[in-house]
Amino acid sequence: EPEVTQTPSHQVTQMGQEVILRCVPISNHLYFYWYRQILGQKVEFLVSFYNNEISEKSEIFDDQFSVERPDGSNFTLKIRSTKLEDSAMYFCASSGTSRNQPQHFGDGTRLSIL
Amino acid sequence: AQSVTQLDSQVPVFEEAPVELRCNYSSSVSVYLFWYVQYPNQGLQLLLKYLSGSTLVKGINGFEAEFNKSQTSFHLRKPSVHISDTAEYFCALLNAGGTSYGKLTFGQGTILTVHP
Repeated sequence: EPEVTQTPSHQVTQMGQEVILRCVPISNHLYFYWYRQILGQKVEFLVSFYNNEISEKSEIFDDQFSVERPDGSNFTLKIRSTKLEDSAMYFCASSGTSRNQPQHFGDGTRLSIL
Repeated sequence: AQSVTQLDSQVPVFEEAPVELRCNYSSSVSVYLFWYVQYPNQGLQLLLKYLSGSTLVKGINGFEAEFNKSQTSFHLRKPSVHISDTAEYFCALLNAGGTSYGKLTFGQGTILTVHP
């Protein structure tokens, strides 16, 4: 069964540094998402992406964050000038030809900011 | 604004016993509802979904859930659990209308622990 893959599984970064989290969505999916889960808290929506542009973003997704689909397969989340509070598990998800179809999640990247 | 509340943060149960994990939601528009399961060190795996039609939906691993619009609930059930069902379970909501482009709203999760 096709799956969403995320790399790296764990990223440790110094505060203030930039980090790029990578995702390969399922190949025929058109909708892409990033979520995050701070330890002990709910899974939170960050951003949705369709047709090479952001469809919706949460209030968390400020100018520090950006997303990109640099080629036909990768979907990246960039965090500029990381803060301690960015430490979380980041999940990538994708869904098929409709935004209402179930989203398939990757295993996540655990981001630790020191 | 929409919200999802999972009423139990932890549910311990013995193997082969039945289990119900409770989920209530709030939304001003029609909704789609999902249950996801997360095993340790893994991502979120879709367990089942309610989009429309029959209010009783069946998912993988013998789980089922019932959509109750009047109670605004979507409780997850399994008649007989196994040790391997030990995991964290998340209820999630997607607005069926409006301008939300696929944003899932999650509950806080319920940790199901199955004891031998």
